[in-house]
Amino acid sequence: NAGVTQTPKFQVLKTGQSMTLQCAQDMNHEYMSWYRQDPGMGLRLIHYSVGAGITDQGEVPNGYNVSRSTTEDFPLRLLSAAPSQTSVYFCASSKGRQGWSSGGAAEQFFGPGTRLTVL
Amino acid sequence: DAKTTQPPSMDCAEGRAANLPCNHSTISGNEYVYWYRQIHSQGPQYIIHGLKNNETNEMASLIITEDRKSSTLILPHATLRDTAVYYCIVRGTGSNTGKLIFGQGTTLQVKP
Repeated sequence: NAGVTQTPKFQVLKTGQSMTLQCAQDMNHEYMSWYRQDPGMGLRLIHYSVGAGITDQGEVPNGYNVSRSTTEDFPLRLLSAAPSQTSVYFCASSKGRQGWSSGGAAEQFFGPGTRLTVL
Repeated sequence: DAKTTQPPSMDCAEGRAANLPCNHSTISGNEYVYWYRQIHSQGPQYIIHGLKNNETNEMASLIITEDRKSSTLILPHATLRDTAVYYCIVRGTGSNTGKLIFGQGTTLQVKP
């Protein structure tokens, strides 16, 4: 298994440009999420999905869109990039409903991250 | 969800046990304690989780006090590769548990 993969690894954008960060997992996990991490800080949740066709907002959703058309993929779209979105973005996945009653949704697998700079 | 408190930093000698404490005095009965770590510039890595019994896996041991108000993550023989930020997170059951809330964590420096 490749686990959780993210592309690209690095990206530089100009203010106002749009782009999509890709995230894929091959573990048949129902739960997927996106976090951002700013320098010297912990991770903050942007959006998450409990299954294909279902998404919801996290702590810092403004400026980002997500969709979940398949179990495997969970892309994150930046609509109009701003310097405040300069950050490292991590995608994560975890097991489905059979694990939720035992806390399994919080046993998450993280991707390697995408380092985004907005000029 | 219960708030957690961790010391900002700790040192440990290579080969010795690293004991990382976490306070979660407002934890409720159905909330689990999770530990993650983040090695510099990498994605966080799940270590272990538990409800009330002590847990052990190939990476670490988790000791939860009887009143569940605090816990300790133990790395039995720390190596230089264990230098990382360690996060203690408390979450309940159900689909909301995937919404992890990361605090500042404890920066563990393992020294030769």
